[in-house]
Amino acid sequence: GESVGLHLPTLSVQEGDNSIINCAYSNSASDYFIWYKQESGKGPQFIIDIRSNMDKRQGQRVTVLLNKTVKHLSLQIAATQPGDSAVYFCAEIGGTSYGKLTFGQGTILTVHP
Amino acid sequence: DTAVSQTPKYLVTQMGNDKSIKCEQNLGHDTMYWYKQDSKKFLKIMFSYNNKELIINETVPNRFSPKSPDKAHLNLHINSLELGDSAVYFCASSQVQRARGYTFGSGTRLTVV
Repeated sequence: GESVGLHLPTLSVQEGDNSIINCAYSNSASDYFIWYKQESGKGPQFIIDIRSNMDKRQGQRVTVLLNKTVKHLSLQIAATQPGDSAVYFCAEIGGTSYGKLTFGQGTILTVHP
Repeated sequence: DTAVSQTPKYLVTQMGNDKSIKCEQNLGHDTMYWYKQDSKKFLKIMFSYNNKELIINETVPNRFSPKSPDKAHLNLHINSLELGDSAVYFCASSQVQRARGYTFGSGTRLTVV
């Protein structure tokens, strides 16, 4: 299950399950959102992005949903695999931010074989 | 070929020392960034350079000084290191007018003892 507390939120799933990772953003002027995956000892890696004029975008095994009304973003991973275990971050860019990414808190995803 | 490379990967140093982290990108991007990731995995921007010009300077102590000799390089120099500077520092690059393609290096873990 998912938990939020003083530590990073964590999500534990079984291999083959679908995973949903949630993110709340704060800046209603943000017009571009990105999900990143960070494995241990590596930098954030692009997974999927979405512009503010869309509410859903699909990639290979991943889907991003954007709800601008409540400023909420989610990442759905289908048929989760052990290699998906990592920390996942959402990030937002506003139109006048000169490329500055503002990151969310991050969620630790653990996939059990 | 590594797109964004930073050196060193690990840096252990004593309080009060001065150290530098180097970053190079071979993607032809016009903008480079430094981000700091703290012990809780929170990622926050520090600086951004566009075509060698400083465009983002977040509230960072002036002991931190970025230098961009050309648009493919962005170095970070830190004076009088403090225990609280211990973190992972990530370099990144992008074409600022096209947020897609934002690429991160693999990070430099700085430990101040």
